[in-house]
Amino acid sequence: GDSVTQTEGPVTVSESESLIINCTYSATSIAYPNLFWYVRYPGEGLQLLLKVITAGQKGSSRGFEATYNKETTSFHLQKASVQESDSAVYYCALGDTNTGKLTFGDGTVLTVKP
Amino acid sequence: DAAVTQKPRYLIKMKGQEAEMKCIPEKGHTAVFWYQQKQSKELKFLIYFQNQQPLDQIDMVKERFSAVCPSSSLCSLGIRTCEAEDSALYLCSSSQQGGGAETLYFGSGTRLTVL
Repeated sequence: GDSVTQTEGPVTVSESESLIINCTYSATSIAYPNLFWYVRYPGEGLQLLLKVITAGQKGSSRGFEATYNKETTSFHLQKASVQESDSAVYYCALGDTNTGKLTFGDGTVLTVKP
Repeated sequence: DAAVTQKPRYLIKMKGQEAEMKCIPEKGHTAVFWYQQKQSKELKFLIYFQNQQPLDQIDMVKERFSAVCPSSSLCSLGIRTCEAEDSALYLCSSSQQGGGAETLYFGSGTRLTVL
């Protein structure tokens, strides 16, 4: 079946440092999946951070970026300079192009130290 | 802002009891998804509704759960006989039409504890 593997947390970085959370996927039932990053901030519900539906394209939001790499089946999340408010749990997800059903990774807990 | 409402927030059941949780999708959304999350790990897909009809579900749901969307503004997920392994956070989400590129909007979840 389809699966998503992402950086195992917890990850702790200091404010203003760079960040990369790795995400690789295996799509056995979907030829060209859509790729997503969702985030859960403390005390809040799960929400979309960014998405990319075309291989080779880059998505960005709130200073985060991720590029859909079909060759390496990866969708790593990066930010050049993190802030304390970025502390959250980040989920990489693979989307079925027909239904929108998502297959999620385990999530990565990020803590940004002031 | 999108708003998917789930009730109750917390549910405690004894092993063998029946459990029911409800979801009000975002207004106008026709696709509803239920996910199960144990111990803050991955979200596991349970069932997908499109226009109130179940189109995809895992075997566990077929065997032990009852899920319906009697109207476009209300869905429910039930467990006929709770087991300890059912303790989890149950998340309901909706999207406008169920298309692959659409954003899913999530509720805050119902946390079920089975004793």
